[in-house]
Amino acid sequence: DSGVTQTPKHLITATGQRVTLRCSPRSGDLSVYWYQQSLDQGLQFLIQYYNGEERAKGNILERFSAQQFPDLHSELNLSSLELGDSALYFCASSVTSGGWDTQYFGPGTRLTVL
Amino acid sequence: AQKVTQAQTEISVVEKEDVTLDCVYETRDTTYYLFWYKQPPSGELVFLIRRNSFDEQNEISGRYSWNFQKSTSSFNFTITASQVVDSAVYFCALLTDSNYQLIWGAGTKLIIKP
Repeated sequence: DSGVTQTPKHLITATGQRVTLRCSPRSGDLSVYWYQQSLDQGLQFLIQYYNGEERAKGNILERFSAQQFPDLHSELNLSSLELGDSALYFCASSVTSGGWDTQYFGPGTRLTVL
Repeated sequence: AQKVTQAQTEISVVEKEDVTLDCVYETRDTTYYLFWYKQPPSGELVFLIRRNSFDEQNEISGRYSWNFQKSTSSFNFTITASQVVDSAVYFCALLTDSNYQLIWGAGTKLIIKP
């Protein structure tokens, strides 16, 4: 158990809908990262927050957005869902925002768009 | 450009055999960090090891060992006396100080047969 929690574990929804994925980092970690794992694209970095502020952005679609709240939990919002958004979404956390810090991953949320 | 290559898509061995998973990376940064993560069938990503670019010392942890060679840009992972529980997808990843996101290899699926 990494100490990072993600809810829900599974999510099934329809095209065009909007969903919110939630992540709670390990105690003491200030950085939260979101990754997407799909069969065709593999693991891809989406976005990073550090202590409430956006720190880095990767291949995140405009239909997706995220935020980190004062209690440091983070939410990833996916809207106008398409079939291709079906994937495993991981949240990771680390103490700081630097590369020297190991990212620990949550169990993931499996999103299925029908 | 930064890139991680895991050329072995799938490896299948019989229990108790030794197996090496290859990882080759590309980066122009002088400071970088290399990681190995394990993804068992249950789906979570489990951190195994982190190596800094300025520390080429190899590491052994039980049946696991890692060989980091800057001269060949490789960070290979060896499992000695493999066990069925080692069956998983193993990912190598790269992170640099100029880019906070983890750059992932495609993963190697390891199958250990009893």
